[in-house]
Amino acid sequence: SQQGEEDPQALSIQEGENATMNCSYKTSINNLQWYRQNSGRGLVHLILIRSNEREKHSGRLRVTLDTSKKSSSLLITASRAADTASYFCATDSNYQLIWGAGTKLIIKP
Amino acid sequence: DVKVTQSSRYLVKRTGEKVFLECVQDMDHENMFWYRQDPGLGLRLIYFSYDVKMKEKGDIPEGYSVSREKKERFSLILESASTNQTSMYLCASITGGGDTQYFGPGTRLTVL
Repeated sequence: SQQGEEDPQALSIQEGENATMNCSYKTSINNLQWYRQNSGRGLVHLILIRSNEREKHSGRLRVTLDTSKKSSSLLITASRAADTASYFCATDSNYQLIWGAGTKLIIKP
Repeated sequence: DVKVTQSSRYLVKRTGEKVFLECVQDMDHENMFWYRQDPGLGLRLIYFSYDVKMKEKGDIPEGYSVSREKKERFSLILESASTNQTSMYLCASITGGGDTQYFGPGTRLTVL
């Protein structure tokens, strides 16, 4: 079952610009995670934000969580060509992750 | 460095063949998962296991079975492969009480 819904489905920006992706979900959560997947490869965990946290940073990544709106955003600052990938949010429920369909991010040189 | 490996990166099989996909993790994780990933659908959970010889159905178990004889190994079995099982298959593991799933590189299966 799909709970996370990423928005937009695809995003194309110039290198150096910031990229923002959003995720909405339907039920209460313990935490929300963001993953990256490069073309044809496995997923890589980026960042986890717990339900009692509102904002978290990791390097060029900034994640916010609004539990009242059941939404999260992932901001990548100063984008690089290597950031070209698909980005997925996942919400947890009893050690299972419920995934969205992903946002495809393309960074143009 | 944590590691989840899958037996094949690419696999081509014929309709009706029995297919085994193997996943091995070296982190002593209790929980292991099999997902399939299709364009526009994200990841969908097929089966998961929270202990040796234990298994639970996920969202789309039909046409699949699993085996967990050892803690580090979780196998996905397609008893009689069909063309609609052409997909990317991803294995993951997580320790009990842990937050982060660790993923293997994926197996791209094509059923002709």
